[in-house]
Amino acid sequence: QSVLTQPPSVSGAPGQRVTISCTGSSSNIGAGSAVHWYQHPPGTAPKLVIHGNNNRPSGVPDRFSGSKSGTSASLAITGLQAEDEADYYCLALDISLMSWVFGGGTKLTVL
Amino acid sequence: EVQLVESGGGLVQPGGSLRLSCAASGFTFSSYWMSWVRQAPGKGLEWVANIKPDGSERYYVDSVKGRFTISRDNVKSSLYVQMNSLRAEDTAVYFCARFYYYASGSYYSMDVWGKGTTVTVSS
Repeated sequence: QSVLTQPPSVSGAPGQRVTISCTGSSSNIGAGSAVHWYQHPPGTAPKLVIHGNNNRPSGVPDRFSGSKSGTSASLAITGLQAEDEADYYCLALDISLMSWVFGGGTKLTVL
Repeated sequence: EVQLVESGGGLVQPGGSLRLSCAASGFTFSSYWMSWVRQAPGKGLEWVANIKPDGSERYYVDSVKGRFTISRDNVKSSLYVQMNSLRAEDTAVYFCARFYYYASGSYYSMDVWGKGTTVTVSS
């Protein structure tokens, strides 16, 4: 059971918008920890797509955006493309565990 | 180009030891915190350990404390993890990652990752 809770899977047709939630607690997201998001196609290196709740690294399309409110965060992907199909993970620091914690991961399927 | 390349994975018996390496290039390795992250088969990502640029501070997930040791050689631009008393549950792909400090927001994130090396603990 992950400290950060993500839906196991989401799906959408090309061109549509999907969101992936990451629900934490008062000891991580709710404590002010920045939330980061990673895209991980199987067998490859994970790629940072959002850092600090809502910041895109250079080279990441503006179709990717992040938000945070209270003890939860979300990753939104608009204009879905086949290349977006991957596992997505959120990451935050848990001050109670004194540990970096990932969400359980969400498999995005582009229909 | 910033690059991280892991090596040293393999098959080891329960109770055995293994040392993983990560060769860094394309950035000033000695200026950055570094991390190890793992992914067990069919599971999600799990943070394993962090080490400060000068090696003076190290942090571990509870499940590996006392068994794993993270270290670095800034002259060789290399990161290591010595894994002892290995268990079946340590079977995973192990990734090294650069732990980057974003001054604008006063937070850290793992911004660049290697492709990983596979460790299998089995008799």
